[in-house]
Amino acid sequence: DAKTTQPPSMDCAEGRAANLPCNHSTISGNEYVYWYRQIHSQGPQYIIHGLKNNETNEMASLIITEDRKSSTLILPHATLRDTAVYYCIVRVAGNTGKLIFGQGTTLQVKP
Amino acid sequence: GAVVSQHPSRVICKSGTSVKIECRSLDFQATTMFWYRQFPKQSLMLMATSNEGSKATYEQGVEKDKFLINHASLTLSTLTVTSAHPEDSSFYICSAQGGTPRLAFTDTQYFGPGTRLTVL
Repeated sequence: DAKTTQPPSMDCAEGRAANLPCNHSTISGNEYVYWYRQIHSQGPQYIIHGLKNNETNEMASLIITEDRKSSTLILPHATLRDTAVYYCIVRVAGNTGKLIFGQGTTLQVKP
Repeated sequence: GAVVSQHPSRVICKSGTSVKIECRSLDFQATTMFWYRQFPKQSLMLMATSNEGSKATYEQGVEKDKFLINHASLTLSTLTVTSAHPEDSSFYICSAQGGTPRLAFTDTQYFGPGTRLTVL
């Protein structure tokens, strides 16, 4: 599975959009980009995933560049409860596709 | 949908005893379950992958005789930490993925809330 690079930490003002970047320059054509987050002392929570098209759900939007070498997770209106570690993971679809967690980005939403 | 539970949420045991942790998919049948371990201030590390009715596949460096995994049904997997020692104290998290009833994303892993193990 391809590796990802994320900034170790970011701050965001409450109510503002949080834009979390991820680089995955070695991604393969059959690898998806997944985003999870982990709030302190809890299991990771699935946010969103995509292959090459931009995706949006009730939690967030995922913007993937045309060359698929990077992506951005957007939380449109961050709240204090969005403070967490956000993990960007690339993974081959299917049961053998493991999730390999890096260090992620610690997002601190401030009032 | 896609709810995964773990039991217990916390356990404290004496060194040398065995501890069993249960992972259940509550509203879907999981073809595959995964077990992770997380030490303080570190990221999750995959320990093993298990498919229902098959032997688990362990990651390099994980002792299969120490961490026994049983995936007896499509909704239940158990992790038993045998002869636990203080260095086994950690946060153990399971995840499940699968396809019945068909979830929107059958290849997506959904995680349990984790089990905090403390070995004295």
